[in-house]
Amino acid sequence: GAVVSQHPSWVICKSGTSVKIECRSLDFQATTMFWYRQFPKQSLMLMATSNEGSKATYEQGVEKDKFLINHASLTLSTLTVTSAHPEDSSFYICSARRTGGSGKNIQYFGAGTRLSVL
Amino acid sequence: AQSVAQPEDQVNVAEGNPLTVKCTYSVSGNPYLFWYVQYPNRGLQFLLKYITGDNLVKGSYGFEAEFNKSQTSFHLKKPSALVSDSALYFCAVRPETDSWGKFQFGAGTQVVVTP
Repeated sequence: GAVVSQHPSWVICKSGTSVKIECRSLDFQATTMFWYRQFPKQSLMLMATSNEGSKATYEQGVEKDKFLINHASLTLSTLTVTSAHPEDSSFYICSARRTGGSGKNIQYFGAGTRLSVL
Repeated sequence: AQSVAQPEDQVNVAEGNPLTVKCTYSVSGNPYLFWYVQYPNRGLQFLLKYITGDNLVKGSYGFEAEFNKSQTSFHLKKPSALVSDSALYFCAVRPETDSWGKFQFGAGTQVVVTP
């Protein structure tokens, strides 16, 4: 159990377009999901904490209007990169926090999305 | 604020030899500690956690870690490394009191196991 699905795995888009990334917890409910950004051979940088039914909490330096997060259900959070530019090219990873059961307190990660903006 | 240090960018080990990946942490209050592994172009896979209880924690794929409160360390170990263990390893910490469960990750340690 504790599977997190992230789609798409890879996306190429033109500069100025918007891209939506989905993160789904397949076999558990996740009131809290997290969105990270990872640069090559570097650690994960937390972008925002997504809570079901409320506004996301963004980390310092992350543009809220550029990275729109919606957590409309207990199993789905989406990240939309608006008006993407080449500097937004990166590996984006989501995670879902399990709040009960044997996996309590663990964050389970999606496989990541490689975004390339031309 | 919490922090995690993984002092080694890379660890090289021969297959069959013991593997150790080091992690030290700083956190207010009791720590929740985690190890994850990442293969290229993939998300992170959970290996093990320490929340409370026995200081020696056993996890997936033969890995274990020992929580040492006095040294604020949580080193990852495997008695006999496999070539397939070659990957990027992350240590993470969160304070017990963080209700949202936000993690602070270390910089990561690349493990290279040679045949």
